[in-house]
Amino acid sequence: DTAVSQTPKYLVTQMGNDKSIKCEQNLGHDTMYWYKQDSKKFLKIMFSYNNKELIINETVPNRFSPKSPDKAHLNLHINSLELGDSAVYFCASSQDSGAAEQFFGPGTRLTVL
Amino acid sequence: GQNIDQPTEMTATEGAIVQINCTYQTSGFNGLFWYQQHAGEAPTFLSYNVLDGLEEKGRFSSFLSRSKGYSYLLLKELQMKDSASYLCAVSNTGGFKTIFGAGTRLFVKA
Repeated sequence: DTAVSQTPKYLVTQMGNDKSIKCEQNLGHDTMYWYKQDSKKFLKIMFSYNNKELIINETVPNRFSPKSPDKAHLNLHINSLELGDSAVYFCASSQDSGAAEQFFGPGTRLTVL
Repeated sequence: GQNIDQPTEMTATEGAIVQINCTYQTSGFNGLFWYQQHAGEAPTFLSYNVLDGLEEKGRFSSFLSRSKGYSYLLLKELQMKDSASYLCAVSNTGGFKTIFGAGTRLFVKA
């Protein structure tokens, strides 16, 4: 029983393309997140959603558009991919607010060529 | 500004004790977390401190001093499998934003 799942695990694409990453959690949590971890392993918050509502948008370019169709899902769509978007993207969830243990998905390694 | 500092790398011997320090300056504080991340894997939760003092959980303990903006993670009876990155993270006031430090890579040698 996977708590937080992401698809795909690997994504290799050309600059300028549009791609999506899907995330689902079966923990019944209210809050979900997207993080970006770059080559230096620095984990940076991108978005926080609580009960399908956007709470935090951490000055992420408009090319990144998260969508939460329901509390269990938080997808990330990226338009016009750039080389600098290459990173590992982690989805996470927590009960209530972020002042609680976060459960991370396995990550999606995005490589933009 | 917001800043979390922790050493980049540490090396310790199997069976020993190691302390990983973390100092932070954040615009709000709603608790401090430690996560473990093995290479190529997702971070996993280790501990949470919101009040000053020591929290012990098996071989791992975490300490917090809010007045000093300081925390440490103590790992006892080190095992080879403890070789990983250890991420210090602070939750801001309101709790929906968690700031992570760059992580400390711990190498455990035989």
